[in-house]
Amino acid sequence: GNSVTQMEGPVTLSEEAFLTINCTYTATGYPSLFWYVQYPGEGLQLLLKATKADDKGSNKGFEATYRKETTSFHLEKGSVQVSDSAVYFCALSALSSGGSYIPTFGRGTSLIVHP
Amino acid sequence: DVKVTQSSRYLVKRTGEKVFLECVQDMDHENMFWYRQDPGLGLRLIYFSYDVKMKEKGDIPEGYSVSREKKERFSLILESASTNQTSMYLCASSIYRDPETNEQFFGPGTRLTVL
Repeated sequence: GNSVTQMEGPVTLSEEAFLTINCTYTATGYPSLFWYVQYPGEGLQLLLKATKADDKGSNKGFEATYRKETTSFHLEKGSVQVSDSAVYFCALSALSSGGSYIPTFGRGTSLIVHP
Repeated sequence: DVKVTQSSRYLVKRTGEKVFLECVQDMDHENMFWYRQDPGLGLRLIYFSYDVKMKEKGDIPEGYSVSREKKERFSLILESASTNQTSMYLCASSIYRDPETNEQFFGPGTRLTVL
């Protein structure tokens, strides 16, 4: 079956540090890949996505590149801010046997940014 | 602004009670999903629906049922609540069979406590 593995947290950084959160996946076919973010007390919201190999998704200074050869979609940001403190979920969407696109989520990585 | 709303942010129920969690989306999406979110376990899919009156089991359907009588509304039912169903419940929706834009739109969540 499909699965997503992401690094365990929490990840603790100082403001302006470089961020990497690793994500690897297993899927049949060619999934779409996503990063979602969950701020405290809220539901998840889409941060960025990529739908085919070598695509780069980007938003709010975050980037991730769809690497088919390494089945990875690592999230990066060059300079984090306190406001980036949240839980980040890597996810994929692939066709299920029933003909609809079922998402699979990683377990989430908590990011804490100190001033 | 597109929205997924859930009937309650916080809910406290007693063991054995029947519990209804309601979710409404205003985006005319075909797919709707119910997840539970627990620390260290990420999001686990309970049930999903890709059309009115259609439903499919997710990864952890035991102890739950769902109802979808109208396209915009998807209800999660706990027939006899138990303490191990204390969790955060998240509803989401997405467009059917569209991998390019198959992002999930989430509600704010319902934190259910079963005493």
